[in-house]
Amino acid sequence: LAKTTQPISMDSYEGQEVNITCSHNNIATNDYITWYQQFPSQGPRFIIQGYKTKVTNEVASLFIPADRKSSTLSLPRVSLSDTAVYYCLVGGLNTNAGKSTFGDGTTLTVKP
Amino acid sequence: NAGVTQTPKFQVLKTGQSMTLQCAQDMNHNSMYWYRQDPGMGLRLIYYSASEGTTDKGEVPNGYNVSRLNKREFSLRLESAAPSQTSVYFCASSVDRGETQYFGPGTRLLVL
Repeated sequence: LAKTTQPISMDSYEGQEVNITCSHNNIATNDYITWYQQFPSQGPRFIIQGYKTKVTNEVASLFIPADRKSSTLSLPRVSLSDTAVYYCLVGGLNTNAGKSTFGDGTTLTVKP
Repeated sequence: NAGVTQTPKFQVLKTGQSMTLQCAQDMNHNSMYWYRQDPGMGLRLIYYSASEGTTDKGEVPNGYNVSRLNKREFSLRLESAAPSQTSVYFCASSVDRGETQYFGPGTRLLVL
């Protein structure tokens, strides 16, 4: 069971780039890394997923070093609406992924 | 396409009462999940169903039972509610185990 560790909270200002790091020292060979965003009173929603190196989509980038023991979610030019809790989830596809844990997440507060 | 729907949205129970939380998805997903989220905490997996006809325990299964009624529906039952089960319950689904999870809006449960 891949346990993850993230900072409890982070503050930023509008227009800045935010990097949130997740540690997952016991990641397994077939595990993927997925990040979710959760707003108050809503369910989490998918942001990005990757296995190694770098993945980019329209909202974020995900950087994964060669040893895969950590990953960094990068949010470019954040706005007030990016204030949310961000979760890193590690788990394998079609394996024991049901045992993956969300952890407590990182509360990002974006200030004007 | 409604995605993942949950009923009820909010429920108040007395200690010892029973109830069933309903979840349905219209995305033809194989896997479904039940999580609970306590205030200020991350999500904890209660049960999951990798595919129709199968269910398995997550991190915190005690006090709950589940039924995968068919491919669309996955219900969570509290046989004898306790105040410690006061929480927000989220249902999620994914194409297969470990794939991106899509969450419902949640059910807020208060046990007095």
